[in-house]
Amino acid sequence: AQSVTQPDIHITVSEGASLELRCNYSYGATPYLFWYVQSPGQGLQLLLKYFSGDTLVQGIKGFEAEFKRSQSSFNLRKPSVHWSDAAEYFCAVGLYNQGGKLIFGQGTELSVKP
Amino acid sequence: DTAVSQTPKYLVTQMGNDKSIKCEQNLGHDTMYWYKQDSKKFLKIMFSYNNKELIINETVPNRFSPKSPDKAHLNLHINSLELGDSAVYFCASSPSGLAEVLAKNIQYFGAGTRLSVL
Repeated sequence: AQSVTQPDIHITVSEGASLELRCNYSYGATPYLFWYVQSPGQGLQLLLKYFSGDTLVQGIKGFEAEFKRSQSSFNLRKPSVHWSDAAEYFCAVGLYNQGGKLIFGQGTELSVKP
Repeated sequence: DTAVSQTPKYLVTQMGNDKSIKCEQNLGHDTMYWYKQDSKKFLKIMFSYNNKELIINETVPNRFSPKSPDKAHLNLHINSLELGDSAVYFCASSPSGLAEVLAKNIQYFGAGTRLSVL
């Protein structure tokens, strides 16, 4: 069965420090991969996506993610975190031929300390 | 101008009641979705509509019924509300495309409706 795992429920980093949020997926075909961010009281906003090609993708707000097929991973990174990055981050897999269905991970809550 | 808007933002009601949540998008998209986010923030798709046609219907109690009067609207009706229905419900929309690769399309989410069943 398809699944997405985000091993870290909660991460705290200092402002200015680097960040890596982990995501592992289980899917038999080539995945469509996404990272979404949810700020408190808001809906989800797309950070970046990967379908094919260059395995390192750039997104908004200085985020990037790297697809590693051998590890079934799509980890999100940012070189220097800002206080405004504090939010919930969701990794998701889009399924081929299933009507736009996304499978989401459990989310990782990011806290940023001054 | 809000792209995907949901009303109401908060909904508090008693068990057994029937309630509706409305969703409208002004992006010109053909596909709309309903998601449920539980207390642990786990997001799960419930339904999706493409051009007013139901294309995803996950294992959801039949007390939940989506209604799409036109492409820009997808409302969610819930009958006989139960305590376990308490959650945040998100509406989303995406552009259409080839049916097989709809999942490639970016989904645009509303701000959510927090439903509390007492």
